[in-house]
Amino acid sequence: EAGVAQSPRYKIIEKRQSVAFWCNPISGHATLYWYQQILGQGPKLLIQFQNNGVVDDSQLPKDRFSAERLKGVDSTLKIQPAKLEDSAVYLCASSLGRGGVSRNTIYFGEGSWLTVV
Amino acid sequence: DAKTTQPNSMESNEEEPVHLPCNHSTISGTDYIHWYRQLPSQGPEYVIHGLTSNVNNRMASLAIAEDRKSSTLILHRATLRDAAVYYCILRDVNNAGNMLTFGGGTRLMVKP
Repeated sequence: EAGVAQSPRYKIIEKRQSVAFWCNPISGHATLYWYQQILGQGPKLLIQFQNNGVVDDSQLPKDRFSAERLKGVDSTLKIQPAKLEDSAVYLCASSLGRGGVSRNTIYFGEGSWLTVV
Repeated sequence: DAKTTQPNSMESNEEEPVHLPCNHSTISGTDYIHWYRQLPSQGPEYVIHGLTSNVNNRMASLAIAEDRKSSTLILHRATLRDAAVYYCILRDVNNAGNMLTFGGGTRLMVKP
């Protein structure tokens, strides 16, 4: 079974530039998550989708971050303009989204590493 | 959200058992206890979960206290590949799509 795919794996940009990250979840997974992980900390949820609808985006800095999942499959996370403090790993994850907790293991991609200089 | 408390770091010798503790004194009756781990330069991966009874799988064992206020992840024979950050997380059984809320986790170092 293919896992969660993310690209690009690494990106270096200057502050005030824009960047986009792409995620392809595991086939059939209705729930998709974007997490931000700053070095030395645990991942923090930015946004959660159920199919193509947003379930929770309370911690997404909406003045500069945006995310979409138009057809309920792939998702894109964009940062514009980037700040130095956005340097982090951006993790995409997915889960089945139904059937109880025991059937809803959350699977993570390898992450996209962003450095803002 | 119910929170968990874990030691910042632990050390183990290769091929010896490791017991990783987690305190969750405010756990509710509908919270599952999940463990994930994150290897260097990788995303987190699922290890094990349980509700009330002890659980075993090919990766680890989970021992849950009778009052459910604490749990222990047991790696029976640590290998160098088990060096990772281990996260203990609570998930509400009533919410299948519930996100994971990560704390700081325990960094496990395995010595050869």
